[in-house]
Amino acid sequence: GAGVSQTPSNKVTEKGKYVELRCDPISGHTALYWYRQSLGQGPEFLIYFQGTGAADDSGLPNDRFFAVRPEGSVSTLKIQRTERGDSAVYLCASSFTQGAVTFGSGTRLTVV
Amino acid sequence: QKEVEQNSGPLSVPEGAIASLNCTYSDRGSQSFFWYRQYSGKSPELIMFIYSNGDKEDGRFTAQLNKASQYVSLLIRDSQPSDSATYLCAVILLTQGGSEKLVFGKGTKLTVNP
Repeated sequence: GAGVSQTPSNKVTEKGKYVELRCDPISGHTALYWYRQSLGQGPEFLIYFQGTGAADDSGLPNDRFFAVRPEGSVSTLKIQRTERGDSAVYLCASSFTQGAVTFGSGTRLTVV
Repeated sequence: QKEVEQNSGPLSVPEGAIASLNCTYSDRGSQSFFWYRQYSGKSPELIMFIYSNGDKEDGRFTAQLNKASQYVSLLIRDSQPSDSATYLCAVILLTQGGSEKLVFGKGTKLTVNP
């Protein structure tokens, strides 16, 4: 597609529920990143994919968070047993080359 | 020390002035540096990248890199109210596992007053 597409744009869920956030990168972009951004903070690195494999998942906060990119294109970030502290904007970005990324519009997750 | 540090501001300059935004990073081996602009309620967008020591100019924007001091800056000449945004410094860091990851600073909020 023309840009990075993230769905849903907004998600409200109850504490303890499971959520999936989807990212459809720009066609042909091999690198895909997930970040989390809270108000007044910069994007916090979560995970980076090069192709189908997770090149670096050191930013995932704990084992409740998991991400996949099975065919090297669309990626899904999965959060189990959501907590109120998980509330944030989750940003996906993609690129041909490291660093010069294009961001999606983000998914605003609210855990109530 | 945080991996990428920026003064969170806010930084306020009058219209037409030069705005200077600064960033330091912890990994001496880093080779790639980026400046992103984020308007309120929007996602970050890339405005400049720099790989070599010295200055790189693009229109009203100049990125400056000093690897010895682990310092990168962004100058905005003839600042306009439309430049009011948060400016994010980003650095590709080499991890112990041999991979690279793009890490952002907290951002500096710039306000240009008419």
